[in-house]
Amino acid sequence: RKEVEQDPGPFNVPEGATVAFNCTYSNSASQSFFWYRQDCRKEPKLLMSVYSSGNEDGRFTAQLNRASQYISLLIRDSKLSDSATYLCVVFPNSNSGYALNFGKGTSLLVTP
Amino acid sequence: GAGVSQSPSNKVTEKGKDVELRCDPISGHTALYWYRQSLGQGLEFLIYFQGNSAPDKSGLPSDRFSAERTGGSVSTLTIQRTQQEDSAVYLCASSPGLAEYNEQFFGPGTRLTVL
Repeated sequence: RKEVEQDPGPFNVPEGATVAFNCTYSNSASQSFFWYRQDCRKEPKLLMSVYSSGNEDGRFTAQLNRASQYISLLIRDSKLSDSATYLCVVFPNSNSGYALNFGKGTSLLVTP
Repeated sequence: GAGVSQSPSNKVTEKGKDVELRCDPISGHTALYWYRQSLGQGLEFLIYFQGNSAPDKSGLPSDRFSAERTGGSVSTLTIQRTQQEDSAVYLCASSPGLAEYNEQFFGPGTRLTVL
């Protein structure tokens, strides 16, 4: 079983829509969680960290449910520029080394 | 300021040849990571460095892969006797230190094609 699993999509949504992505992880001892964004043929860039209490950054809201080992990302009022692949990323714990575990990503296409 | 840079941006090589990929991390970043991304796959961790030391090499796919870092800065990833399955984008990242809360900043990657 892959450590980080995401629905690959693609999610095709109209501008202004609200869209949510989900991610599950298998290592219950995982310590830190992130969403990265990757544009086509570009490098991944950090979108936001995910905290247990949930956190919001503008139109983006991230939630973590440790009991269910589940992470979500909500995008409100989608923009054309939000079109990208969203990577769910888990940092296992320092005893496992410092590599990030990446999901395969969820593809989002926002259409006019 | 300058981000992570990698060279070459593209490399086409013949099966069996050796290739060397270079990464220049952000100045002052002590931690450096190598990943690869194959078509349709997620990022796969290869190796990380703290300073010039690589404590865990278990992520390297085979003994044809090696990496080094000198002067706590530039790192090279070497693939010997390349195979077609080595074709991928090789991404380097750096962070200020080894801590789970540190953002990893990625370079643009080297796209390797093995014919």
